[in-house]
Amino acid sequence: DIQMTQSPSTLSASVGDRVTITCRASQSISSWLAWYQQKPGKAPKLLIYQASSLESGVPSRFSGSGSGTEFTLTISSLQPDDFGTYYCHQFSSYSFGQGTKLEIK
Amino acid sequence: EVRLVQSGAEVKEAGESLKISCKGSGYIFTSHWIGWVRQMPGKGLEWMGIIYPADSDAKYSPSFQGQVTISADKSINTAYLQWSSLKASDSAIYYCARRGSSASAYFYAMDVWGPGTTVTVSS
Repeated sequence: DIQMTQSPSTLSASVGDRVTITCRASQSISSWLAWYQQKPGKAPKLLIYQASSLESGVPSRFSGSGSGTEFTLTISSLQPDDFGTYYCHQFSSYSFGQGTKLEIK
Repeated sequence: EVRLVQSGAEVKEAGESLKISCKGSGYIFTSHWIGWVRQMPGKGLEWMGIIYPADSDAKYSPSFQGQVTISADKSINTAYLQWSSLKASDSAIYYCARRGSSASAYFYAMDVWGPGTTVTVSS
């Protein structure tokens, strides 16, 4: 089974900061990866699909990159509404990363 | 509007059986896989399994194989997750989610999520 290692587990940043979250796969998953944002008490929301494609309606400050075993989610200029927990999700054997809790300073 | 509507919260005792549902609307139900995801209190997302409603082909995570059953009734656009004997450790929120179209890059995402069903199991 493919393991996803997501880092950091928690992140505190200020409005306007550039933020990067990383997911590493235990073996190659091509570009078969999505990123989600989850806010407390809500279902996850799709941000990025196939590693780098931006979901419709998601602000362009979000971007995804990577292929093979290393992937990143970047928020170019953090906004107050970006708090929450972010998860990567691979589509070879479907496992999720452990999550990154993003707090706004 | 594409939607997944999940059944309501459940409170059960250990040893009881349970079947929760996920009804799709606004799209061709048989054209998309439906997955199930567990979230235990204060924890992350865990992949349980996925089903293709057109032929009920189901695939399970090794962690959940034999512990739950995933099924679908395409005549009423509904997928199910069931337990034959609940444990206290099954207390969690369970989400269903639609896998994106196989004809597009959305195939590598769960693009529509239900609101979740909270299951509470007392021992």
